[in-house]
Amino acid sequence: QKEVEQNSGPLSVPEGAIASLNCTYSDRVSQSFFWYRQYSGKSPELIMSIYSNGDKEDGRFTAQLNKASQYVSLLIRDSQPSDSATYLCAVIHPGGFKTIFGAGTRLFVKA
Amino acid sequence: SQTIHQWPATLVQPVGSPLSLECTVEGTSNPNLYWYRQAAGRGLQLLFYSVGIGQISSEVPQNLSASRPQDRQFILSSKKLLLSDSGFYLCAWSDDMGLGYSNQPQHFGDGTRLSIL
Repeated sequence: QKEVEQNSGPLSVPEGAIASLNCTYSDRVSQSFFWYRQYSGKSPELIMSIYSNGDKEDGRFTAQLNKASQYVSLLIRDSQPSDSATYLCAVIHPGGFKTIFGAGTRLFVKA
Repeated sequence: SQTIHQWPATLVQPVGSPLSLECTVEGTSNPNLYWYRQAAGRGLQLLFYSVGIGQISSEVPQNLSASRPQDRQFILSSKKLLLSDSGFYLCAWSDDMGLGYSNQPQHFGDGTRLSIL
């Protein structure tokens, strides 16, 4: 079992819709969770951090964390074509210095 | 604010040639530093990380090495490049909170696209 699992996609949504990206992780004691956006040919960019159960909102982005289910999600409201990218879920390996990245989900927002 | 500089942006090298990629961070002290490689269409592969000057942890045995000669400088090297070393090399940093472990996100440089001919 991979430590951080994401559906590779592609996930295709129409412009203006809500895009829902999901991630599961294997280590139950993980405490720090992040979402990165990576445009083709560019480096990953941090868009959300979440440490506690529940929802965290930042503009059009909402991160959701359920530690009991070992599940992290990212919702993008009012999706725009400029949101088309690969979204990486990341979880810090407990007690160490490494971050475990998922393989990413490709999102296409159709105009 | 903190910034990370990575260079060069692109590099074309012949097989068997040496490599040196450099990364520097500004605006923070004692950062945790990381080197990743990303093959085309693939995920991030952690190569090395460092939690202090001269402290290097290697994640993947290969013909690459890393050094941290100064607090905010991280260098990736190879004596002889292989075709399989082609890829997108990313340097990243995270805040060290003095906890003895990390709970902070990593921030990436712009990357170096390395092609081996």
